[in-house]
Amino acid sequence: GENVEQHPSTLSVQEGDSAVIKCTYSDSASNYFPWYKQELGKRPQLIIDIRSNVGEKKDQRIAVTLNKTAKHFSLHITETQPEDSAVYFCAAPRGRIFGSGTRLSIRP
Amino acid sequence: GAVVSQHPSRVICKSGTSVKIECRSLDFQATTMFWYRQFPKKSLMLMATSNEGSKATYEQGVEKDKFLINHASLTLSTLTVTSAHPEDSSFYICSARDFSAGESETQYFGPGTRLLVL
Repeated sequence: GENVEQHPSTLSVQEGDSAVIKCTYSDSASNYFPWYKQELGKRPQLIIDIRSNVGEKKDQRIAVTLNKTAKHFSLHITETQPEDSAVYFCAAPRGRIFGSGTRLSIRP
Repeated sequence: GAVVSQHPSRVICKSGTSVKIECRSLDFQATTMFWYRQFPKKSLMLMATSNEGSKATYEQGVEKDKFLINHASLTLSTLTVTSAHPEDSSFYICSARDFSAGESETQYFGPGTRLLVL
């Protein structure tokens, strides 16, 4: 069946440093790859997504890279800030199956 | 735009009763809606895909007679937890895709419903 693996499960970085979260998927037909941010008790919030016809997409401090051959995509957050602390989820295929989540903590 | 609401936001019920949760797309039409459940500090688990005018598609291991889904209009899907038990206590979240966006896979999430079964 469809499988989505996300690493790491927890990540602590110094404020101002970069954070990278990786997601691998099994369905080679996947063509849409979103990343969500979820704060405690709230709904997932789409922060960036990418479609399979591009390899990278950037939105200010956030970027997503896609390697379709290796079937993985990654979330990159640069110049991290305290408000980036949250749980981040990837989803595939077609954004339906969620990864296990990464709890990101930003150290002041 | 692209707002999804859920009602109720929180519900407490007695074991054995049924609970209905509504998911509405407020400013767009959604032929497809999704229902997820989330346990504390865990990921979202897809329960079923709700299709307007047809039967829902359930994920493996999800009992369709336990979790009844109805998608009677382009803006409303309902999830009914029948004969609820304490183990059904969870955070239920719906999402919807915009029909007018064509091939867009973007999902818009509702705020979630916290169910507590005593």
